[in-house]
Amino acid sequence: GDSVTQMEGPVTLSEEAFLTINCTYTATGYPSLFWYVQYPGEGLQLLLKATKADDKGSNKGFEATYRKETTSFHLEKGSVQVSDSAVYFCALSKGGSEKLVFGKGTKLTVNP
Amino acid sequence: EPEVTQTPSHQVTQMGQEVILRCVPISNHLYFYWYRQILGQKVEFLVSFYNNEISEKSEIFDDQFSVERPDGSNFTLKIRSTKLEDSAMYFCASITRTSGRWSGANVLTFGAGSRLTVL
Repeated sequence: GDSVTQMEGPVTLSEEAFLTINCTYTATGYPSLFWYVQYPGEGLQLLLKATKADDKGSNKGFEATYRKETTSFHLEKGSVQVSDSAVYFCALSKGGSEKLVFGKGTKLTVNP
Repeated sequence: EPEVTQTPSHQVTQMGQEVILRCVPISNHLYFYWYRQILGQKVEFLVSFYNNEISEKSEIFDDQFSVERPDGSNFTLKIRSTKLEDSAMYFCASITRTSGRWSGANVLTFGAGSRLTVL
């Protein structure tokens, strides 16, 4: 079945460091891809998405590009801030359904 | 900004007890979901609900689970007889569709989750 694999955490970085969180997927057809973020005590929030190959999603300085050839959707940010500390989830959905298939989540801690 | 509200934030119960987790979706949303995340595991889809009936459910959603929209605002998940392995974070989500077929343009809005601990 469809699945999402993302890098194991936790990830600890210093402020202004470069962030990459790897995400690969297995799915038939052409899924939509998402990154969700969960800040402490809050719900899962959509961070960015891409609905077709080569699309780049971006938001709040984060970016991810839908790479069909490598079945990947890696999350990047050039300079992280303490406020980016959260758990990041990669997810996919298939056409005609909002049902999401999630990865395990990666906890990011950014130290000042 | 509208949000999905879940209660309780944390519940501790004894094995075999019934538990009801409550969710108040965003008021104009029509589709409702429950997901769960066992500690250290993936967030898993449990069930989707539309027009007062289940539209899809996963293998996890067995006869011990039920969902209900009792009063037009709340959306509840009931576990009839809890087991140790039901300990998890349960997330409610809702969505509205801007067109008849979902195209990826709409996104789910999630609540903060209800942590269930079964002893």
